[in-house]
Amino acid sequence: EIVMTQSPATLSVSPGERATLSCRASQSVSSNLAWYQQKPGQAPRLLIYGASTRATGIPARFSGSGSGTEFTLTISSLQSEDFAVYYCQQYNNRYTFGQGTKLEIK
Amino acid sequence: EVQLVESGGGLVKPGGSLRLSCAASGFTFSSYSMNWVRQAPGKGLEWVSSISSSSSYIYYADSVKGRFTISRDNAKNSLYLQMNSLRAEDTAVYYCARVGGSYLLAFDIWGQGTMVTVSS
Repeated sequence: EIVMTQSPATLSVSPGERATLSCRASQSVSSNLAWYQQKPGQAPRLLIYGASTRATGIPARFSGSGSGTEFTLTISSLQSEDFAVYYCQQYNNRYTFGQGTKLEIK
Repeated sequence: EVQLVESGGGLVKPGGSLRLSCAASGFTFSSYSMNWVRQAPGKGLEWVSSISSSSSYIYYADSVKGRFTISRDNAKNSLYLQMNSLRAEDTAVYYCARVGGSYLLAFDIWGQGTMVTVSS
């Protein structure tokens, strides 16, 4: 099983600042990596797939990068609605999710 | 509108059974692989099971293998999860999710979830 490890567990950032979230795979997943956003009481929402392609309707302030085992989600200028939990997911071999990063207001 | 709506959750005793359903609308259900994902209270996301568009390929997480069965009825635009021998650790919100397609292999559409509670 491919293990996905996200860091940090919690990230405190002020609105308007940049947030950088990391995700590491225990073995290469190529570019088969997605990022999801989840707000309390809601289902996850797809943000990024293929490591760097934004899903339909996702603002340009969200960007993804990386390949192989190291991946990054960057939110360039945080808006109030961006404070949520973010999960990475590999789909190179079945599916596994990271444990999540909670992005909170500083 | 593309939509997935889960149903069938509830309270069940350990060792009991439950069948979840997911009704799809707004897209050609028979063309897409589907999945079940669960989330225990206050915890992260856990993939549970996948089924290909024609049911040819089915996969399970080790944690549910031998106890859960995924199936679909393309004529009814519905996905199912039969859960047997339920344990307390199966308590979670269960989501159905669509795989976006050949070029989008992530989960692009999610339902709102249905809560399953396993407790005596």
